[in-house]
Amino acid sequence: AQKITQTQPGMFVQEKEAVTLDCTYDTSDPSYGLFWYKQPSSGEMIFLIYQGSYDQQNATEGRYSLNFQKARKSANLVISASQLGDSAMYFCAMRGLIDDKIIFGKGTRLHILP
Amino acid sequence: GAGVSQSPSNKVTEKGKDVELRCDPISGHTALYWYRQSLGQGLEFLIYFQGNSAPDKSGLPSDRFSAERTGGSVSTLTIQRTQQEDSAVYLCASSSPYRGQETQYFGPGTRLLVL
Repeated sequence: AQKITQTQPGMFVQEKEAVTLDCTYDTSDPSYGLFWYKQPSSGEMIFLIYQGSYDQQNATEGRYSLNFQKARKSANLVISASQLGDSAMYFCAMRGLIDDKIIFGKGTRLHILP
Repeated sequence: GAGVSQSPSNKVTEKGKDVELRCDPISGHTALYWYRQSLGQGLEFLIYFQGNSAPDKSGLPSDRFSAERTGGSVSTLTIQRTQQEDSAVYLCASSSPYRGQETQYFGPGTRLLVL
């Protein structure tokens, strides 16, 4: 069975600093994809970034990058130059090739301080 | 419409009543998911439809929960004999069938309150 673990229930970060949100996963699937979503207080789920397990390079999308360490089964999200609008819940998710439903971690609540 | 839609947006019901929640996925998306999110918590997987395959129901918490997807498009999640612990936001998502485009697009959710 697949599993996503986010060990940081909450984080406080000063504005303009970089922040790393941790995500580890467990799967027996030979191929899989990893996702990060942002959920602001409005409740909407916003897709941020995707990393395929066989991608040669770490994914980047603007201020978001995914620090993918396959051997460690970790897929941490890095937000550079944090902004007040980054305050939200962040969810890590994965999908396998065989077990292809998408499951989510419990999330990390990020607070950006002015 | 361009995105995933869900109805109703809010539902208040009495304990013991049945409720139906509806999801309209993005046209052409063969994958459809239902999740439950309790206040301040993560997304709990409920059920997953992929094309014409048998749905993955492994996340349904009890036999009071069921879902169907008609014609490979609209899906209905039914909760029978609702309990107070069923109160949550029910999120629907759909995704493309193509590899590399598995990003899920979420609906706005249905907020269910069982009194």
